[in-house]
Amino acid sequence: AQSVSQHNHHVILSEAASLELGCNYSYGGTVNLFWYVQYPGQHLQLLLKYFSGDPLVKGIKGFEAEFIKSKFSFNLRKPSVQWSDTAEYFCAVTLNTGGFKTIFGAGTRLFVKA
Amino acid sequence: DGGITQSPKYLFRKEGQNVTLSCEQNLNHDAMYWYRQDPGQGLRLIYYSQIVNDFQKGDIAEGYSVSREKKESFPLTVTSAQKNPTAFYLCASRTGAYGNQPQHFGDGTRLSIL
Repeated sequence: AQSVSQHNHHVILSEAASLELGCNYSYGGTVNLFWYVQYPGQHLQLLLKYFSGDPLVKGIKGFEAEFIKSKFSFNLRKPSVQWSDTAEYFCAVTLNTGGFKTIFGAGTRLFVKA
Repeated sequence: DGGITQSPKYLFRKEGQNVTLSCEQNLNHDAMYWYRQDPGQGLRLIYYSQIVNDFQKGDIAEGYSVSREKKESFPLTVTSAQKNPTAFYLCASRTGAYGNQPQHFGDGTRLSIL
């Protein structure tokens, strides 16, 4: 079955620390990859996406992610986190299964200490 | 403003009753989705629809039903067969031509079964 795995459920960092959140998916076909963020009390919103081309993609607020096809991974990174990055982060994969099925990982709650 | 409207925001029902959650979008999106969000489990896909009068089961469709009679509307019915219906339900939509477009999300409906 298709699935998305996020390895860290809770992450606590101090401001200025570097961040890397892991995401792996299981699907052998073509995928489109997304990271979404949910700030407290707000909608899910798009951080960045990958569908083709340069496997290193840049998103909003200094986030970036790298697609490594051989590892079925799409890890999210930020060199220096801020207190305002405290949120829940979701990795998502869209599969073309006759319709565009989008499945999500379990999410990672990030808390950044000021 | 274009967006996705879910109603009601909070819903209480007695055990054994069917209940229908509304989702309407004015974004002219082709594809619509229903997810269930539980703490620690991320968003789990219930049903999705690529076009009017067509929909497909997601990963946890048992105990749920949907219809897609209009492009703008994708109501979800939680039936009495759903063993643990108390949860937060999110509706999403995207332009349907390619799977590389991000989803847009509603505010969600919190369902509590008494």
